[in-house]
Amino acid sequence: DSGVTQTPKHLITATGQRVTLRCSPRSGDLSVYWYQQSLDQGLQFLIHYYNGEERAKGNILERFSAQQFPDLHSELNLSSLELGDSALYFCASSVWGTRDNEQFFGPGTRLTVL
Amino acid sequence: GESVGLHLPTLSVQEGDNSIINCAYSNSASDYFIWYKQESGKGPQFIIDIRSNMDKRQGQRVTVLLNKTVKHLSLQIAATQPGDSAVYFCAENGAGSYQLTFGKGTKLSVIP
Repeated sequence: DSGVTQTPKHLITATGQRVTLRCSPRSGDLSVYWYQQSLDQGLQFLIHYYNGEERAKGNILERFSAQQFPDLHSELNLSSLELGDSALYFCASSVWGTRDNEQFFGPGTRLTVL
Repeated sequence: GESVGLHLPTLSVQEGDNSIINCAYSNSASDYFIWYKQESGKGPQFIIDIRSNMDKRQGQRVTVLLNKTVKHLSLQIAATQPGDSAVYFCAENGAGSYQLTFGKGTKLSVIP
């Protein structure tokens, strides 16, 4: 158990809908990262927050947004869902936001868009 | 359990043998590399890392080798055990970037 929690574990929804994925980092970790793992693209970095502020953006679609709250938990919002958004979404956390800081991954949320 | 479902390269090894998993990277500016292990139904787990000023780094039963000339990274697992069965990913991080870029992964299957 990495200490990172993600809810829900599974999510099934329809195209065009909006969902929110939630992540609680390890106690004391200030950084949260979101990744998407799909069948054809592998594991891709989406976005990084450090202590409530956006630090870096990766291949995140405009339909997706994220935020990190004062209690350091984070939410990833996915809107206007398409079939291709079906994937595993992982959250990871680290103590700081430096590059060589070990990232601890949560168990993921499996999103299925029908 | 969950599975990625990618058509991943697969390495099958006998229990007790050594395993070597390879990874090629493309960004010559990458200066930090990490190996992750992902078991079915779980998130990736850090195994070992190496900076570009090193050629080799050893951990417990694992060794990472870095060849910057040919942009190649390898993970060696000694005395492979059934619990080592998983998908292994290399990841790279370029100078000045917070973004990790992951390779496609290799599925390691250990034959008891």
